[in-house]
Amino acid sequence: GAGVSQSPRYKVAKRGQDVALRCDPISGHVSLFWYQQALGQGPEFLTYFQNEAQLDKSGLPSDRFFAERPEGSVSTLKIQRTQQEDSAVYLCASSLFGVAATNEKLFFGSGTQLSVL
Amino acid sequence: DQQVKQNSPSLSVQEGRISILNCDYTNSMFDYFLWYKKYPAEGPTFLISISSIKDKNEDGRFTVFLNKSAKHLSLHIVPSQPGDSAVYFCAVRQGGSEKLVFGKGTKLTVNP
Repeated sequence: GAGVSQSPRYKVAKRGQDVALRCDPISGHVSLFWYQQALGQGPEFLTYFQNEAQLDKSGLPSDRFFAERPEGSVSTLKIQRTQQEDSAVYLCASSLFGVAATNEKLFFGSGTQLSVL
Repeated sequence: DQQVKQNSPSLSVQEGRISILNCDYTNSMFDYFLWYKKYPAEGPTFLISISSIKDKNEDGRFTVFLNKSAKHLSLHIVPSQPGDSAVYFCAVRQGGSEKLVFGKGTKLTVNP
């Protein structure tokens, strides 16, 4: 596709429910990122993949959060036993290579807005 | 504690005038600085960036200034247009890291 695609666009979950958020990066992009944006805040880093390898997961808030990218393209962010504080917009971004070596820009998707009731 | 601060939550300017958005950071190890623009219900889009080896970068109506000694950067938009109305995020990166650290954003409104 032309850009980063995320689904679903909105997700309402009951507290304690598991959710899965999907990201389709730009075709051929090696690097994929997940960010969490709470209301009134800037995006906060969650995790980073280079191809299928998860190279940094230091931003994941707890072990209830899990991300995967098994074939180096589509990625899924899974949140188990959701809590109200998980309510946020979850943004996925991709870049052709990595930003560190080449100062490439990130292309963001429109995000998934998660509301936990 | 916040590593990147955008102290003005909002800014309102008249069409045709200059918009100046400010950003302060705390860590002198940050070496790459970016501005992203975000419209409602969309993801952030890259606007302009600057490396720590420069103090100014210009792209059309947008100019970013970097003052390393003050750990301060600013985005100038001249002339401002109503279509520039959006939330602007400052983001910084430390050399060798893939992470971007974002500020909380400044909502710019350009009035016709």
